[in-house]
Amino acid sequence: AQTVTQSQPEMSVQEAETVTLSCTYDTSENNYYLFWYKQPPSRQMILVIRQEAYKQQNATENRFSVNFQKAAKSFSLKISDSQLGDTAMYFCAFGPISNFGNEKLTFGTGTRLTIIP
Amino acid sequence: EAQVTQNPRYLITVTGKKLTVTCSQNMNHEYMSWYRQDPGLGLRQIYYSMNVEVTDKGDVPEGYKVSRKEKRNFPLILESPSPNQTSLYFCASSSVTGEMNTEAFFGQGTRLTVV
Repeated sequence: AQTVTQSQPEMSVQEAETVTLSCTYDTSENNYYLFWYKQPPSRQMILVIRQEAYKQQNATENRFSVNFQKAAKSFSLKISDSQLGDTAMYFCAFGPISNFGNEKLTFGTGTRLTIIP
Repeated sequence: EAQVTQNPRYLITVTGKKLTVTCSQNMNHEYMSWYRQDPGLGLRQIYYSMNVEVTDKGDVPEGYKVSRKEKRNFPLILESPSPNQTSLYFCASSSVTGEMNTEAFFGQGTRLTVV
């Protein structure tokens, strides 16, 4: 079974600064996906970024980028030039490579990020 | 617009009164799933369905039932709700391609309180 650990329950940063959210995971699988989801106060789950484990290149989406260290089983999210709209709960999640089986996402416990004006 | 629709968004009920939370998706996805979100625990899978008439338990299935009579709908049923089922519930769907875990689309969430 997979586990996902987010060791920072809460973080805060000044607007326009850079912040890094940490995530570690444990799995015996070699191929899989990792995700960061954002949950603003509206409660909607929004996909921020996705990383395929077989790709060495770190994924980036505008101000969001990841540092994926497969051997260390680490998957951190960096938010550059943080904005007030980035205030949210962030969840790291592990997703298996589908083999027509359960595509369950295994989530971490979340990091509540507050951007301070 | 591609979406997953849950209803209701908020529900307060009493212990033992049967309830159903509906979930519908318009993307023709094969895979659908229910999660519950609790503080300090993240999201945990309750049940999932790989296609019509195919359902199976997730990590926390006790006290819940599901059905998948149509591809687009995947209701969550609480036959006899108890206070420990007070939680935030999410329905999610994705397309099964056989090779990749595609993006999961989530509903808006249902805040359930059982008193």
